[in-house]
Amino acid sequence: ETGVTQSPTHLIKTRGQQVTLRCSSQSGHNTVSWYQQALGQGPQFIFQYYREEENGRGNFPPRFSGLQFPNYSSELNVNALELDDSALYLCASSDGVYAGETQYFGPGTRLLVL
Amino acid sequence: KNQVEQSPQSLIILEGKNCTLQCNYTVSPFSNLRWYKQDTGRGPVSLTIMTFSENTKSNGRYTATLDADTKQSSLHITASQLSDSASYICVVSARGSTLGRLYFGRGTQLTVWP
Repeated sequence: ETGVTQSPTHLIKTRGQQVTLRCSSQSGHNTVSWYQQALGQGPQFIFQYYREEENGRGNFPPRFSGLQFPNYSSELNVNALELDDSALYLCASSDGVYAGETQYFGPGTRLLVL
Repeated sequence: KNQVEQSPQSLIILEGKNCTLQCNYTVSPFSNLRWYKQDTGRGPVSLTIMTFSENTKSNGRYTATLDADTKQSSLHITASQLSDSASYICVVSARGSTLGRLYFGRGTQLTVWP
């Protein structure tokens, strides 16, 4: 176990709805990254938060937004859901922002958009 | 263009057999390369990390090799077990980059049959 938890484990939504996914990082980790993993693909970087501020963003539209809280928890919010948003959403915590840091991934939330 | 290509896309082997997974990358300047194991419906777990100066690194029955000149890496699994059935993902980072600039391969789906 990595010490990173995510909730819920599975979620079904319809197109146009909004969703909030939650992540609890390892204690002491000040960086959380969110990834989208489509079936049969590698994870795609959505964004990263460092000390409650967005610290980098991948090629995702503004309807993907996030929050990081002082208690090592974070959220990924997706508005106006589209069918292509169906994927496994992973959060990963680390003790720093650089590529040499080890990321500890949560089990993911599997989102299905109908 | 920075890319990570893995082969084969999928592999089926019998329990007890050995196998080798390949990763070719074009990421430059190179910093490090990780192999992750991802069980179905779970988050990736780091197996090994290799920097430019390392040629081989072992983690139990997993042995990773790196040839920085040809930009190739391999992951060798010895005496496979049913629990090795998973997706194996190669992840490369460029020097000085943040976690948002990791390059993920699509993974090799390994199935071990009894």
